[in-house]
Amino acid sequence: DTAVSQTPKYLVTQMGNDKSIKCEQNLGHDTMYWYKQDSKKFLKIMFSYNNKELIINETVPNRFSPKSPDKAHLNLHINSLELGDSAVYFCASSQWTGVAPYEQYFGPGTRLTVT
Amino acid sequence: DQQVKQNSPSLSVQEGRISILNCDYTNSMFDYFLWYKKYPAEGPTFLISISSIKDKNEDGRFTVFLNKSAKHLSLHIVPSQPGDSAVYFCAASGGDNDMRFGAGTRLTVKP
Repeated sequence: DTAVSQTPKYLVTQMGNDKSIKCEQNLGHDTMYWYKQDSKKFLKIMFSYNNKELIINETVPNRFSPKSPDKAHLNLHINSLELGDSAVYFCASSQWTGVAPYEQYFGPGTRLTVT
Repeated sequence: DQQVKQNSPSLSVQEGRISILNCDYTNSMFDYFLWYKKYPAEGPTFLISISSIKDKNEDGRFTVFLNKSAKHLSLHIVPSQPGDSAVYFCAASGGDNDMRFGAGTRLTVKP
């Protein structure tokens, strides 16, 4: 029973298209994240949601928008895709206690290729 | 700006020997550090963590050492096993949910 799942696992699309990546966690966590792993393999946080409120938003283009219909889901919408958006996107979740960060549980990743 | 650095992209070790993975950070506000392990086509999985109030944390074959004055931490795996072959990411946080990751070190444990 997968703790953090993402769909699709692979996504190939053309420049200018709009696409979405879905993420679901069944751990009961209250915080979810999106990370981008670029060509240099760095994992960079894009967004996090805590109780349906955005609490971190790095310098990510506004073509990217996270949407959280409920505590268990955080979907990533990308408009007007560009070549530079090609990367692996990871969803993650954790339980926020307000004291210290703890381990995040990651999904398997979605490899996005923009042609 | 890479606030967490793993300067060795790869490391090869013989089975049974010790593996030492290193990580340096620049932000003195970081007070919590984690190591993640990643297999191909999977997401990172949590391995071990350490708070800045400690200098060592041990969990089975895995030990993390923290040297705050040098802004350096290391992960020791002993004895190394072929199943430990993976990419290891160092991560650091300043007490909120904003976690910074290093670029990873690919460990290969040879039988």
